[in-house]
Amino acid sequence: QQQVKQSPQSLIVQKGGISIINCAYENTAFDYFPWYQQFPGKGPALLIAIRPDVSEKKEGRFTISFNKSAKQFSLHIMDSQPGDSATYFCAASKEGAGSYQLTFGKGTKLSVIP
Amino acid sequence: SAVISQKPSRDICQRGTSLTIQCQVDSQVTMMFWYRQQPGQSLTLIATANQGSEATYESGFVIDKFPISRPNLTFSTLTVSNMSPEDSSIYLCSVQSSGNTIYFGEGSWLTVV
Repeated sequence: QQQVKQSPQSLIVQKGGISIINCAYENTAFDYFPWYQQFPGKGPALLIAIRPDVSEKKEGRFTISFNKSAKQFSLHIMDSQPGDSATYFCAASKEGAGSYQLTFGKGTKLSVIP
Repeated sequence: SAVISQKPSRDICQRGTSLTIQCQVDSQVTMMFWYRQQPGQSLTLIATANQGSEATYESGFVIDKFPISRPNLTFSTLTVSNMSPEDSSIYLCSVQSSGNTIYFGEGSWLTVV
């Protein structure tokens, strides 16, 4: 059972365009939703995260939109740049005994072309 | 944020051998985690490593195959035992910061031949 579904699997965007990656979750107990960016040969780096008490969070060119009733959240990358080309993972977790154990989506490979 | 160092960063191992991966954090953390990322795939949690207690393993992962040590609040090891080609993966150490943010190391890339 896949608890976090991510789409699309791959995405090609023109430089300056908007990249949109979507995730849906099943477990209503999830209360922390981070996005990670991973470049080839590197570990995942935390990009931005949101908790269900807000519907949107923005950090620079990156925005998370969160829809609690639909159990969906998405990452928007504004003014996409070639340097944004990477694999993006959404994740979800719930606190259990003080521990946040992440369940990841399958990832989206983003290519931003000049 | 936390700075996480993993060793080795990359290794080629013979089938049937075991390899221990080390994870060092630059600050004391309560929660450390080990994840596996198979080539081109997503991340899967192997176990949660708490200092002073046995690691808690996720479904599909067992202590005999992936023994874990957590001797203090800044260090942990993961051993991949009796390796087979199916164990070829990236093994990632992860920590939970005081703000409940999860950070990852650069990973240890293992190829089993």
